[in-house]
Amino acid sequence: EVQLVESGGAWVQPGGSLRLSCAASRFTFSSYSMNWVRQAPGKGLEWVSYISSSSSTIYYADSVKGRFTISRDNAKNSLYLQMNSLRAEDTAVYYCARGNWFFDLWGRGTLVAVSS
Amino acid sequence: DIQLTQSPSFLSASVGDRVTITCRASQGISTYLAWYQQKPGKAPKLLIYAASTLQSGVPSRFSGSGSGTEFTLTISSLQPEDFAAYYCQQLNSYPRTFGGGTKVEIK
Repeated sequence: EVQLVESGGAWVQPGGSLRLSCAASRFTFSSYSMNWVRQAPGKGLEWVSYISSSSSTIYYADSVKGRFTISRDNAKNSLYLQMNSLRAEDTAVYYCARGNWFFDLWGRGTLVAVSS
Repeated sequence: DIQLTQSPSFLSASVGDRVTITCRASQGISTYLAWYQQKPGKAPKLLIYAASTLQSGVPSRFSGSGSGTEFTLTISSLQPEDFAAYYCQQLNSYPRTFGGGTKVEIK
């Protein structure tokens, strides 16, 4: 089955760091752009970051710029999000999503909770 | 940044009703708009892209229209499985923004 599976979510204190992973299976991962999208509890969707298929182009939302770093390893069919200097407002379910002009495949999400 | 305003934010409807959700962009985005459905505890699901193209496997009761700054998602005859939240998303520029969402509940 074509799928994306996120992992790495956890509870972390403010100021802490976390690395999320997204494992892709049964499609040619290296051919697709990828994104991270998050959803705070009871809130709407917020796009976080984008990376092109070759990692040559990267974008971030202003809310995470300078704190989060997106990367990928096409040999391992994996996408990553390194999150530093975490804040309470980063608490959310984080989804990885495939695509550039539309997001046609999503993972089930991983929960990041930032509190003291 | 491009802001997307969805209306209504909440609607109550009955099975069989025709439902229309509107998404307005703060500036023109041609037809670079997608619609997603999200059920509680689940990931979003792509319904429509390029404003009016139905994603494979999505029932034909869903349709999208519009260009520029005004877009609509229409469900021609609401089914029990359609009660969910719906989001529009612009893909004209970065950051890729989403609308605030429309929650469709059973009347």
